[in-house]
Amino acid sequence: EVQLVESGGGLVQPGRSLKLSCLASGFTFSNYGMNWIRQAPGKGLEWVASISSSSSYIYYADTVKGRFTISRDNAKNTLYLQMTSLRSEDTALYYCARRTHSGPYWGQGVMVTVSS
Amino acid sequence: DIQMTQSPSFLSASVGDRVTINCKASQNINKYLNWYQQKLGEAPKRLIYNTNNLQTGIPSRFSGSGSGTDYTLTISSLQPEDFATYFCLQHNSLLTFGSGTKLEIK
Repeated sequence: EVQLVESGGGLVQPGRSLKLSCLASGFTFSNYGMNWIRQAPGKGLEWVASISSSSSYIYYADTVKGRFTISRDNAKNTLYLQMTSLRSEDTALYYCARRTHSGPYWGQGVMVTVSS
Repeated sequence: DIQMTQSPSFLSASVGDRVTINCKASQNINKYLNWYQQKLGEAPKRLIYNTNNLQTGIPSRFSGSGSGTDYTLTISSLQPEDFATYFCLQHNSLLTFGSGTKLEIK
């Protein structure tokens, strides 16, 4: 069974940093491109970042470019999102998602709250 | 980047009505278009993938169509449990979500 388990969320002050992790299981992690997606409270979904299976290709939404870094460790079956210079508008439920032919398959998400 | 324009933003309808929701892409997305339903406090549920493929367990009153840049979700006969927010997602090039359609009871 495919599982994606996000962790690392919580309450953080504006301007500070936080690193999210996503532990994958039930599939060969190193074969798949991965994404981070987020949903702010009461808002729609927003794609955040993508990384190819070998980390050769990385893309970011304009709203996080220069502040967030997506990475992966295929030996540990883990996807990461390093978030710096956090803003209140980054408050959201963050989902890790595996790329598939039928669209992203995402986990349960982890909440990040940016507030003083 | 591909932009997705979803319409309408709000839709008021009655049980038994046929409704359609539209998404228009800024360029050809080769039918890589999914539809999701989301209810308050719940994770999104995929209804349709790749334009017209019904997700397992989803009632057949939901259907999708389209090609190129224009895509449609149709609910043939609204049921009480269908009142929710719907959104589209293109996954042809990276990911872009539609802005959502809130379907309310008239």
